[in-house]
Amino acid sequence: DIQLTQSPSFLSASVGDRVTISCQSSQAIKTYLAWYQQKPGKAPNLLIYGASSLQSGIPSRFSGSGSGTEFTLTISSLRPEDSASYYCQHFHGYPAFGQGTTVEVK
Amino acid sequence: EAQLLESGGGLVQPGGSLRLSCAASGFTFSSYAMTWVRQAPGKGLEWVSAISDIGGHTYYADSVTGRFSISRDDSKNTLYLQMNSLRAEDTAVYYCAKATRFQFAYWYFDLWGRGTLVTVSS
Repeated sequence: DIQLTQSPSFLSASVGDRVTISCQSSQAIKTYLAWYQQKPGKAPNLLIYGASSLQSGIPSRFSGSGSGTEFTLTISSLRPEDSASYYCQHFHGYPAFGQGTTVEVK
Repeated sequence: EAQLLESGGGLVQPGGSLRLSCAASGFTFSSYAMTWVRQAPGKGLEWVSAISDIGGHTYYADSVTGRFSISRDDSKNTLYLQMNSLRAEDTAVYYCAKATRFQFAYWYFDLWGRGTLVTVSS
């Protein structure tokens, strides 16, 4: 089975900061990766699919990059409403999620 | 507006059964694969099961194979998850989601319901 490892597990940053979250796959998965945002008590929300395609309605400060085994989610200028947990998910075979990254906005 | 609404969660004893439903609206339900994803309290997301659009092919995580059964009724725009032989570790919020296939791979999930809580406890 393909395992996804996210880093860091937690990060704290200030409004306006550039934030990056990494997702490493145990096997090459081309660009078969998505990113989700989940706020407490809410359902996940799709941000990025195909590693770098921005889902409709998602602010352009969110971007994704990578292929193969190394992927990155970047928030170019952090806003208070970005405080949430973020998950990567592969779909190279049966889907699986990374363990999540909690982002705190100071 | 496209929406998914889960129902059927609740408290069940270990070894018991429960059937979850997910009512879809605002999109052509029959044209999409659908999936269930769960989240144990304070934990991350776990994919559970999926069902294809054409042919109704079913897919399961190892943790639920042989105990859970996914199905769909396109005439009612409804997705189901029959859960049998429930265990304490099945306690979670269960989300249904619309699954979109990407190129020749499997799916990402672009529309989610609010979830329904299943608690397995005596």
